[in-house]
Amino acid sequence: QSVLTQPPSASGTPGQRVTISCSGSSSNIRYNVVNWFQQLPGTAPKLLIFGNNQRPSGVPDRFSGSKSDTSASLAISGLQSEDEAEYYCSVWDDSLHGYIFGTGTKVTVL
Amino acid sequence: EVQLLESGGGLVKPGGSLRVSCAGSGFSFNVYAMNWVRQAPGKGLEWVSAIGGSVPGTFYADSVQGRFTISRDNSKNTLFLQMNSLRDEDTAIYYCAKGAHSSSRKGGFDAWGQGTLVTVSS
Repeated sequence: QSVLTQPPSASGTPGQRVTISCSGSSSNIRYNVVNWFQQLPGTAPKLLIFGNNQRPSGVPDRFSGSKSDTSASLAISGLQSEDEAEYYCSVWDDSLHGYIFGTGTKVTVL
Repeated sequence: EVQLLESGGGLVKPGGSLRVSCAGSGFSFNVYAMNWVRQAPGKGLEWVSAIGGSVPGTFYADSVQGRFTISRDNSKNTLFLQMNSLRDEDTAIYYCAKGAHSSSRKGGFDAWGQGTLVTVSS
């Protein structure tokens, strides 16, 4: 099963900006929308960004998403301690006829 | 408010079968695609299967194709996953996830349940 490549970890001090990349291919990210999920320890994933760059109601505007060709990114500005979590990107893959997830990025607030 | 409540997880021997369910509320269940996503202990997320809402169609990950069957009962707002020929590597928390569109291919998932644990072990 194909996967989307994310860095295993990212970190920053409170108030800093952290960016997480999600690398895919022409069969997934290029032509389909990317969603991002946040998973706090011991809890179910939660939708953070949908449609490449849209925030659901209730998600702080510190979180933003973008997409370019076969890659996507999640940015967290003004990092806060409660942002410590695992972050996953996800997209439909036209070749596999199914959804794929990124490998996950653990964000640590120093 | 969208709510998804999974049930039916448990301990099963390799080669055995199990059916997990997901009761949905707070939205027009019959309209939206629904998905199963799993997470093995200490591992990342793995999409398992999807079923369309008002746009029909079912899809499976290669790892479960031919062993798992997804279905839904719109009259009871319930999603099912029938799992046969279970293997050790199927051990995971199984999450029900609501699709963002009526078609399984579009939009991804916008709400998740709390999950039900399936353990495959002798």
